[in-house]
Amino acid sequence: EPEVTQTPSHQVTQMGQEVILRCVPISNHLYFYWYRQILGQKVEFLVSFYNNEISEKSEIFDDQFSVERPDGSNFTLKIRSTKLEDSAMYFCASRGTGVGTEAFFGQGTRLTVV
Amino acid sequence: DAKTTQPTSMDCAEGRAANLPCNHSTISGNEYVYWYRQIHSQGPQYIIHGLKNNETNEMASLIITEDRKSSTLILPHATLRDTAVYYCIVRVPYNNDMRFGAGTRLTVKP
Repeated sequence: EPEVTQTPSHQVTQMGQEVILRCVPISNHLYFYWYRQILGQKVEFLVSFYNNEISEKSEIFDDQFSVERPDGSNFTLKIRSTKLEDSAMYFCASRGTGVGTEAFFGQGTRLTVV
Repeated sequence: DAKTTQPTSMDCAEGRAANLPCNHSTISGNEYVYWYRQIHSQGPQYIIHGLKNNETNEMASLIITEDRKSSTLILPHATLRDTAVYYCIVRVPYNNDMRFGAGTRLTVKP
């Protein structure tokens, strides 16, 4: 069964460093998403991406964040200068075209900022 | 997207049906009802979705009331592995964001 793959599974970084979280969406999907979940809190929408551009973003997704689809298979989330409060699980998701299609999520990257 | 209301937590005996309710009284005509679950800190897992007809797949059944203001997710024979947080989400299909609420924490007990 096709799945969304995220790497690394755990990333530890120092405050102020840049991090790039990587995702390989399901191959024929065209809509891509990033979510985050701070420990003990709900899953929060960050951004959606379609046709090589951001289609929607939340208030969390500020100038510190960027997304990119550098090639035909990868989808990345970059945090330019990490803060302690960026520590969270980050989930990538993708979905296909068609009305009402569901999104599939990866297993997440646990980001720890120290 | 319409707001949803779910109970904070529920218990279910192993082997029994788990019925998880969701209220979405402000749902509009073109909004779908989606159900996801999250086991521990894993990525949310898609379960089922529907527009107005009842739906069934290998995981669960979705019952949507005729006025579409509420729905129920049914896990017919709950197992311990079904212990998770279950999210009911209502959204229009062309919206690109999907917002999660707090969900219902289902605990299946032996």
